[in-house]
Amino acid sequence: NAGVTQTPKFRILKIGQSMTLQCTQDMNHNYMYWYRQDPGMGLKLIYYSVGAGITDKGEVPNGYNVSRSTTEDFPLRLELAAPSQTSVYFCASTRVNTEAFFGQGTRLTVV
Amino acid sequence: GENVEQHPSTLSVQEGDSAVIKCTYSDSASNYFPWYKQELGKGPQLIIDIRSNVGEKKDQRIAVTLNKTAKHFSLHITETQPEDSAVYFCAAPLSWGKFQFGAGTQVVVTP
Repeated sequence: NAGVTQTPKFRILKIGQSMTLQCTQDMNHNYMYWYRQDPGMGLKLIYYSVGAGITDKGEVPNGYNVSRSTTEDFPLRLELAAPSQTSVYFCASTRVNTEAFFGQGTRLTVV
Repeated sequence: GENVEQHPSTLSVQEGDSAVIKCTYSDSASNYFPWYKQELGKGPQLIIDIRSNVGEKKDQRIAVTLNKTAKHFSLHITETQPEDSAVYFCAAPLSWGKFQFGAGTQVVVTP
């Protein structure tokens, strides 16, 4: 079991560029999440999904998009990157009311 | 919606002493309360969780207590060691598989 795998681990983007953060899980979890964590801060929910084909906004969705075409994959798309999107991004998956498994994170810098 | 408050935000303890972190929540329907530990450069990992049908759960030096009447749950770490230094997050479930994290507590164990 690989758990939750995120790629890439690090990325530097220029302002206005786009990129996709990949997340895949092999635990057959229905629920998947994207969080961002700014330095010294807590976890803020960007988007979440309760199953394939279903996504919804979290508390900080602006500037991001997601899709969930399969149970395993939940990519996060950044369009027109801005310095405010410099952060560490975590993907997580779970079944309802059970342990959440997190990926190792993607450290993104927008310059 | 759910509001999870976590205190303190930082906690410095001498090695061997105990550490206590407290979270309060607002949704009476919550029934699953996990605690996560995040080490530097890594994603959060579950260390202990409790369900609403029990008041306390222990795992070696770590324990969690739940007071559903007062709507709070606490993490207790006894005989702290340097490897306990990390950020700790509580979480409480929201609707539709979402869960909200507390703001986090930075624990520093000093020799």
